[in-house]
Amino acid sequence: AQSVTQLGSHVSVSEGALVLLRCNYSSSVPPYLFWYVQYPNQGLQLLLKYTTGATLVKGINGFEAEFKKSETSFHLTKPSAHMSDAAEYFCAVSLQGFQKLVFGTGTRLLVSP
Amino acid sequence: GAVVSQHPSRVICKSGTSVKIECRSLDFQATTMFWYRQFPKKSLMLMATSNEGSKATYEQGVEKDKFLINHASLTLSTLTVTSAHPEDSSFYICSARTEANTEAFFGQGTRLTVV
Repeated sequence: AQSVTQLGSHVSVSEGALVLLRCNYSSSVPPYLFWYVQYPNQGLQLLLKYTTGATLVKGINGFEAEFKKSETSFHLTKPSAHMSDAAEYFCAVSLQGFQKLVFGTGTRLLVSP
Repeated sequence: GAVVSQHPSRVICKSGTSVKIECRSLDFQATTMFWYRQFPKKSLMLMATSNEGSKATYEQGVEKDKFLINHASLTLSTLTVTSAHPEDSSFYICSARTEANTEAFFGQGTRLTVV
């Protein structure tokens, strides 16, 4: 069965600093990997996804993530944090497209001025 | 992008009553919808997969008689929490998958409080 581990329930950065949110996965077959963002009391918005092909995936709002099979990782990065990036971020894995996503426990990103 | 509308966004009900939550795909047909439950400061847990015109598939540990799911059309799935109790209080989120399986869009969630 698949699983996702997100290291760090909270990450704090200053505005303009690099954002790094960590995600490691476990899957018996090549997975589909996703990052979602959730603002308070709202649903989830897809930031980016990896299915096949290029391992560096670019998403919305300047975020990108790199699939590293050897490290079973899919870390999310953004070169320069903005105040509006403060939110909860979820990494997710599935075996086939958007069928039954398994989510990590989430990382709350805090951005200070 | 595609929009999934979930209604209501908040609901408070008395213990023992039933509550229905609707999930609509507004501009695409969704043969498959998913219902998640999110506990405070926790991740999303898949409750069930809803397929249009057939019975929902529930995850292990989810009571199908308590959480009734109906997917009567290609754009609407409903989750009914029957005989609600305070421990059912939670944030419920639906998602609808496109037919091409290229993306799943999430509703804005429903905050259920049972008093």
